[in-house]
Amino acid sequence: RKEVEQDPGPFNVPEGATVAFNCTYSNSASQSFFWYRQDCRKEPKLLMSVYSSGNEDGRFTAQLNRASQYISLLIRDSKLSDSATYLCVVNEGNNRLAFGKGNQVVVIP
Amino acid sequence: EAGVVQSPRYKIIEKKQPVAFWCNPISGHNTLYWYRQNLGQGPELLIRYENEEAVDDSQLPKDRFSAERLKGVDSTLKIQPAELGDSAVYLCASSPGGIDYGYTFGSGTRLTVV
Repeated sequence: RKEVEQDPGPFNVPEGATVAFNCTYSNSASQSFFWYRQDCRKEPKLLMSVYSSGNEDGRFTAQLNRASQYISLLIRDSKLSDSATYLCVVNEGNNRLAFGKGNQVVVIP
Repeated sequence: EAGVVQSPRYKIIEKKQPVAFWCNPISGHNTLYWYRQNLGQGPELLIRYENEEAVDDSQLPKDRFSAERLKGVDSTLKIQPAELGDSAVYLCASSPGGIDYGYTFGSGTRLTVV
């Protein structure tokens, strides 16, 4: 079983709409979590860390559910520029990050 | 501040040939990572350095892959000989020591083996 599981999509979202997706992780001892954004043919870039209490950064909200071992990302008021792949990332321990396959988001005008 | 610098950006080689990738991390970042990303997949760790020491190379295919970080700064990743299945993007990343704040990737080297 993969450490981090994501539904690759694509998630086709009308401009201005809200989109949300989850990822599940297998290691219950994982302590820190992140969302990275990756544009086509570019490197991944840190979007936001995910804290136990949940956190928000503008139109982006991240949540962590330790009991069910999943994290989520919600994007409100989607912009065309939000089109990208969103990678769920889990700290496996020993300074190693495990990446999911990513959720591909396509915002449609 | 310069980010993580990788070269070359693209490389096309014939199978069985050697190839090398170079990475210059962000100044002051002690930890350096090499990842491989296949099409449609997330990055997978190949090796992690703390300064000049390879502290996690459990996922590096050691029969054909090697890496070095001689002075604890720049690093090279080598494949010899390359196989068709090695076609991927090779990403270098660095962090100041801990990963609680994530880390920064370079733009990667896209390798095509023909």
